[in-house]
Amino acid sequence: GAGVSQSPSNKVTEKGKDVELRCDPISGHTALYWYRQSLGQGLEFLIYFQGNSAPDKSGLPSDRFSAERTGGSVSTLTIQRTQQEDSAVYLCASSRGQGFYEQYFGPGTRLTVT
Amino acid sequence: DQQVKQNSPSLSVQEGRISILNCDYTNSMFDYFLWYKKYPAEGPTFLISISSIKDKNEDGRFTVFLNKSAKHLSLHIVPSQPGDSAVYFCAASYGSYQLTFGKGTKLSVIP
Repeated sequence: GAGVSQSPSNKVTEKGKDVELRCDPISGHTALYWYRQSLGQGLEFLIYFQGNSAPDKSGLPSDRFSAERTGGSVSTLTIQRTQQEDSAVYLCASSRGQGFYEQYFGPGTRLTVT
Repeated sequence: DQQVKQNSPSLSVQEGRISILNCDYTNSMFDYFLWYKKYPAEGPTFLISISSIKDKNEDGRFTVFLNKSAKHLSLHIVPSQPGDSAVYFCAASYGSYQLTFGKGTKLSVIP
């Protein structure tokens, strides 16, 4: 497809379980970003990848959150031992890379922790 | 500390009239500003952007104005259409890395 895709679109999990969210960026985009949007809030930056490396992990809220990117393409965001406050929409975006400001977003994964 | 603020959570405008959405920022390091539009259950869609070296950028019905001295930008939509009803997010960046977003303004265009 031409756009950013994310899976699953919805995920309901029990508190304490681990979850894995996937992002497939636009082909050729070297930069990839993860954000999350909690109810009534703006988008909160989590982590940024340039290629496979993550020069900026400053937004990850705790050490339960981790992300990786392989082959300069697909990225996974993993949340371990989920808590109710992790409930949010997790959005992935990609851009052409350094010097290109416009980021293009996927539809998001709605995570609900019960 | 919110670096990008959209002080109006909602705005209602009559179809055909002008919609003006406002955004203020505090970080003088920001060098690029973007507006995104978001429909329910979809990701944000890039709308229009402006570099800090400009004061205006126009694309069809959409114009973004930047006032650096006031640290203020605005998005004008003329004429407004019912399909413009959505949540609009202002975002700012420096160094083409992470975007810092406002909390959004919900625009309702009334037919």
